Amino acid sequence: EDKVVQSPLSLVVHEGDTVTLNCSYEVTNFRSLLWYKQEKKAPTFLFMLTSSGIEKKSGRLSSILDKKELFSILNITATQTGDSAVYLCAVEARTSYDKVIFGPGTSLSVIP
Amino acid sequence: NAGVTQTPKFRVLKTGQSMTLLCAQDMNHEYMYWYRQDPGMGLRLIHYSVGEGTTAKGEVPDGYNVSRLKKQNFLLGLESAAPSQTSVYFCASSLFRDRVGIWSPLHFGNGTRLTVT
Repeated sequence: EDKVVQSPLSLVVHEGDTVTLNCSYEVTNFRSLLWYKQEKKAPTFLFMLTSSGIEKKSGRLSSILDKKELFSILNITATQTGDSAVYLCAVEARTSYDKVIFGPGTSLSVIP
Repeated sequence: NAGVTQTPKFRVLKTGQSMTLLCAQDMNHEYMYWYRQDPGMGLRLIHYSVGEGTTAKGEVPDGYNVSRLKKQNFLLGLESAAPSQTSVYFCASSLFRDRVGIWSPLHFGNGTRLTVT
C-alpha cells in the first residue's frame, strides 16, 4: 500500500532556529515528491523534487530528495513566526490519473 | 485572481441530511479533485475528474457522489450525511498531468468545514 510518513508530527521552535522536517515514502511507480505549506486554509505549493541529491531552494527554505533511501527533508533556516504552518509532504505516482498521496503533515509553531 | 473557490465555507448537518459542496475554478484546468482532511490522516482523495463530463473514484469515495457538467465546476454531494463525514473538504485543480513535459501543482480552494451531528 502506498504511504507517506512525516516526522515529527509537531514541533515548537524559537525564532531564529533552524528546523528539519522529514518525509519518508513507499510508493509504487514514483514520479515526484512535493512539499506544500498550509496556513489555516489552502495548501500552497513549495517544491517539486524528482531527482536524488539536487537541492531545491527558495529563500530560507530548501529541500532534497534521496530516491535510494526513499526520503526527503525540508530545511528552514532562521525561522520566523510567519513560518508557522502545517508542512505537507506528498508523493506523485504514475497511475492512470497521476495519483498524489499526502502525508499527515508536520505542524510547526515558531514562537518569538 | 479567484483561482479555486469553494462554497460554503462552513456547514452543520444533521445525520441523514443531504448537501452539495460547490467548487469553481477560473484557470481553465482540466483536472479537478475533492479531498477530505482529517487530523493525523493527511489529505485523502474522494473523487476526481480528468475533464468535463468525466468522474472517477479516489481512495475514500463511499457516501459521496460528484458531477462535472461544466469544465470550471466540480460538485461534491452527500446524499445521507453521517458523523464520520465530519471533516474539512478541499477542492483542487491542475493542468493536464499526463502529457510529457507538462506539469502543474495542485491549486487548492480554502476548504469547507463540515460538521455532521
